[in-house]
Amino acid sequence: EVQLVESGGGLVQPGGSLRLSCAASGFTFSSYEMNWVRQAPGKGLEWVSYISSSGSTIYYADSVKGRFTISRDNAKNSLYLQMNSLRAEDTAVYYCARLYYGSGSYYFDYWGQGTLVTVSS
Amino acid sequence: DIQMTQSPSSLSASVGDRVTITCRASQSISSYLNWYQQKPGKAPKLLIYAASSLQSGVPSRFSGSGSGTDFTLTISSLQPEDFATYYCQQSYSTRNTFGQGTKLEIK
Repeated sequence: EVQLVESGGGLVQPGGSLRLSCAASGFTFSSYEMNWVRQAPGKGLEWVSYISSSGSTIYYADSVKGRFTISRDNAKNSLYLQMNSLRAEDTAVYYCARLYYGSGSYYFDYWGQGTLVTVSS
Repeated sequence: DIQMTQSPSSLSASVGDRVTITCRASQSISSYLNWYQQKPGKAPKLLIYAASSLQSGVPSRFSGSGSGTDFTLTISSLQPEDFATYYCQQSYSTRNTFGQGTKLEIK
């Protein structure tokens, strides 16, 4: 069974840092591209970052570029999101999601349960 | 970035109704369009991928259509468990973007 389990969320002051983790199991993690998606309270889904299966290709949303760093450790079946210079508007539930390629298209077929990040003084 | 616009933002309907949600992309995305369902406090769930392909385990009352810039999600006969928020997503670009969501409520 495919499982994605996020951890590392919590309360942090503006300007602070936090590192999120996503532990993957039930599939060959090193073969899949991964993403982070967030959802502010009462708001819609916002894509945050993408990383290729090897980690060699990375993309960020403009809203987090220069502050967040995505990485992965294929030996540990884990995905990470290092978040620095946090702002109130980064408050959200953060999901990790597996990117799947099928029928000539790409989609997020599995999602974690999410971890809440609250940025407040 | 490609912008995705859903309509309506909210919708009231009754059990048994046929419901259609639309999604428009700011540029052509071929069939790189996915639909997700999200219930309160839960992660999104994939319903439709590649504009019209039904994800395994999803009831056949859900269907998708469209290509290029205009897409629709149709629920043929609403069931109580279908009341949720629905999001479209373009995967034409690696910098995926989502629509703002459509909240489907019970009338």
